[in-house]
Amino acid sequence: TQLLEQSPQFLSIQEGENLTVYCNSSSVFSSLQWYRQEPGEGPVLLVTVVTGGEVKKLKRLTFQFGDARKDSSLHITAAQPGDTGLYLCAANPRVIIQGAQKLVFGQGTRLTINP
Amino acid sequence: DTEVTQTPKHLVMGMTNKKSLKCEQHMGHRAMYWYKQKAKKPPELMFVYSYEKLSINESVPSRFSPECPNSSLLNLHLHALQPEDSALYLCASSQRQVLSGNTIYFGEGSWLTVV
Repeated sequence: TQLLEQSPQFLSIQEGENLTVYCNSSSVFSSLQWYRQEPGEGPVLLVTVVTGGEVKKLKRLTFQFGDARKDSSLHITAAQPGDTGLYLCAANPRVIIQGAQKLVFGQGTRLTINP
Repeated sequence: DTEVTQTPKHLVMGMTNKKSLKCEQHMGHRAMYWYKQKAKKPPELMFVYSYEKLSINESVPSRFSPECPNSSLLNLHLHALQPEDSALYLCASSQRQVLSGNTIYFGEGSWLTVV
């Protein structure tokens, strides 16, 4: 079973539109991270959210961590072609194994912004 | 400076070859990771090192052999691989002390093709 459910898996919209990507789970997480990945490159960290209800903004991107720390959303305002990429949410389960982190990933959202 | 450096960027090897992937970080992180990522899939955890000791092996076949010579370096030795092992191999690191908001940083990856 997938611990983190990410939706939608694919999204293609026009430049200038707004969009929201969701990351949901039945588990509680100590923190959650959003990454963006270009083809052939490693994931690049966008943000880490820690506190339930937390909202963080990164230019046109707004990230929210659910009050119960089980879910998160990424909202992009006025999307641009440069936002195209694979967006991955990842979270640390509350039970940390042997001091290191067993990061769990969602399946990813492949976003395409058309000019 | 949040940088994880991986070499080589691309590697093509035969099924009888022995090769190694290398990873380096100078952020003082004491946890280092190897992930494998197939096309259109999220990264999958392979190994975790904590304080230069192997702490997690996700039932990875023995043809993959990790090594952590010191706190800054992580290697992945490859021998007798199969074509299905072709993938993007990602190295990552994080602080050893697990606090809320602790973040895993990824390298750019090594593209491996087994022929």
